Amino acid sequence: EVQLVESGGHLVQPGGSLRLSCAASGFTFSTYTMNWVRQTPGKGLEWISFVSSSSRNIYYADSVKGRFTISRDNAKNSLYLQMNSLRDGDTAVYYCARAMVGYNYGPFDYWGQGTLVTVSS
Amino acid sequence: DIQMTQSPSSLSASVGDRVTITCRASQDITNYLNWYQQRPGKAPKLLIYTASNLQSGVPSRFSGSGSGTDFILTISRLRPEDFATYYCQQSYNSFRTFGQGTKVEVK
Repeated sequence: EVQLVESGGHLVQPGGSLRLSCAASGFTFSTYTMNWVRQTPGKGLEWISFVSSSSRNIYYADSVKGRFTISRDNAKNSLYLQMNSLRDGDTAVYYCARAMVGYNYGPFDYWGQGTLVTVSS
Repeated sequence: DIQMTQSPSSLSASVGDRVTITCRASQDITNYLNWYQQRPGKAPKLLIYTASNLQSGVPSRFSGSGSGTDFILTISRLRPEDFATYYCQQSYNSFRTFGQGTKVEVK
């Protein structure tokens, strides 16, 4: 069974840093591209970052570029999101999502349950 | 960036109704359009990918159509578990933008 389990979300002050993790199981993690998506309270979904299977290609949404860093450790079946210079507007539930194989930029066929990041003083 | 616009933002319907939701892309995305369902407090779930392909395990009352810039999600006969929010998403490029969502509510 495919599982994605996020962790690391909690309350942090503006300007602070946080590292999210996503533990993957039930599939060959090293062969899939992965993404982070966030959802602000009561609002819609925002894709924020992509990493290819080998980490060769990485992309960010403009809203987080220069502040967030995506990475992965295929040996540990884990995906990470290092978030720096956090702002109030970064308050959201953060999901990791697997992209379907067979496409350059596949749809997200599995999602984690999400982890809540709250940025507030 | 490719902008995705859904309509309506919300709709009221009854069990058994036929429901259609539209999604428009700001540029031609061929058929790289996906649909997700999100129930309150849950992660999104993939329903339809590349415009018309039904994800494994998704009931056949869900269908998708369209190409280019205009796409439609249809629920043929609404069931109680279908009251949720639906999002479209383009996967034409690496910046996988979502529509703003359509909430399907009980009439």
